[in-house]
Amino acid sequence: GAGVSQSPSNKVTEKGKDVELRCDPISGHTALYWYRQSLGQGLEFLIYFQGNSAPDKSGLPSDRFSAERTGGSVSTLTIQRTQQEDSAVYLCASIKQAGAADTQYFGPGTRLTVL
Amino acid sequence: RKEVEQDPGPFNVPEGATVAFNCTYSNSASQSFFWYRQDCRKEPKLLMSVYSSGNEDGRFTAQLNRASQYISLLIRDSKLSDSATYLCVVNPPSGGYNKLIFGAGTRLAVHP
Repeated sequence: GAGVSQSPSNKVTEKGKDVELRCDPISGHTALYWYRQSLGQGLEFLIYFQGNSAPDKSGLPSDRFSAERTGGSVSTLTIQRTQQEDSAVYLCASIKQAGAADTQYFGPGTRLTVL
Repeated sequence: RKEVEQDPGPFNVPEGATVAFNCTYSNSASQSFFWYRQDCRKEPKLLMSVYSSGNEDGRFTAQLNRASQYISLLIRDSKLSDSATYLCVVNPPSGGYNKLIFGAGTRLAVHP
């Protein structure tokens, strides 16, 4: 079946502009994560959505970052007033249900470059 | 101290070699452990889960040492296609959901 999809695959923007990144999880997966990966670095947790529960936003680096998940499916990560340090690959992952041993399936990521 | 620490490498090995990676984690109450593989400019993909008794999948063997809080991955008979970054992943207790903490990865380069 279809995997996790993300769009756009690449985004180049100017400092100070807002950007929106989209994630379509695997159909039927209840939990969705956003991560950020800077060049040569590990994955940095940003935010987690599970069903109708309040999201875990503990990883968002500043109030310029926000995310929503509409209808329990598609999610949008918004970065306002982008800064050069926001340049990274933004990865979305989904799992079937929030069990301890469920596999996270990742999308291909959005490569964000802030000039 | 980072929650999950790995030797960044790179490990440069010839084809056919055996190579081992270690990873340490800080939260002793962590319950689930995984190795993910990430190819250059690609997304991470699950390689294998790590069970307390150790587990093997073909040329790959994963082991967990809870007392010392480390996880290992052994790759036997390395192939060129094994070249990638290997991410150690830990699921610490986090209020009942699957919050995975990723290490920064160990880079493996297998050469002819």
